[in-house]
Amino acid sequence: DAGVIQSPRHEVTEMGQEVTLRCKPISGHDYLFWYRQTMMRGLELLIYFNNNVPIDDSGMPEDRFSAKMPNASFSTLKIQPSEPRDSAVYFCASSHKVGFNEQFFGPGTRLTVL
Amino acid sequence: KQEVTQIPAALSVPEGENLVLNCSFTDSAIYNLQWFRQDPGKGLTSLLLIQSSQREQTSGRLNASLDKSSGRSTLYIAASQPGDSATYLCAVTFYNTDKLIFGTGTRLQVFP
Repeated sequence: DAGVIQSPRHEVTEMGQEVTLRCKPISGHDYLFWYRQTMMRGLELLIYFNNNVPIDDSGMPEDRFSAKMPNASFSTLKIQPSEPRDSAVYFCASSHKVGFNEQFFGPGTRLTVL
Repeated sequence: KQEVTQIPAALSVPEGENLVLNCSFTDSAIYNLQWFRQDPGKGLTSLLLIQSSQREQTSGRLNASLDKSSGRSTLYIAASQPGDSATYLCAVTFYNTDKLIFGTGTRLQVFP
């Protein structure tokens, strides 16, 4: 398996623009997680899905952030409109039977909002 | 509140030393604990996973222990090498949640 795949790897955009980050989890994994990493706050869980259903989105910072998982092999995290404080590295991770198995992380998307 | 803490925040050692990284968590009711490595500008690589029923796990020069009752885990690195330089993150899955709660990490530098 190729592991968790994220795209794009780097994104530079201007304030106010819409940003869409993409993730393909490992085949067979039924949990998908979106994290954000910054120097100030470390790694934070934004939202996670189980069997394509959002379970906990309490970490989503505000209504400008939204996430979807239309099928078992694809998820998106959208920011609209983007702001400079959204600049961070966004990671996607997947797991099978969470609580018993490890999470596997993608390489991340480095987002810069000017 | 369920929290994970790592000490020290940074560590610099000469090559060849054995070293210990510490992780503590506030609630002993956990599913598992996972240690990750992160290189600068890179993603997270899983090093070791310890289930709540286990006391330790080993992989090569790495050994991780778990003491649930005291809310502690240690990552032991034997005969450190410059290639071990990275940030090491501890993360815990607590009962009644599917979330992985991360510590703030220990930045390790091993110099020749």
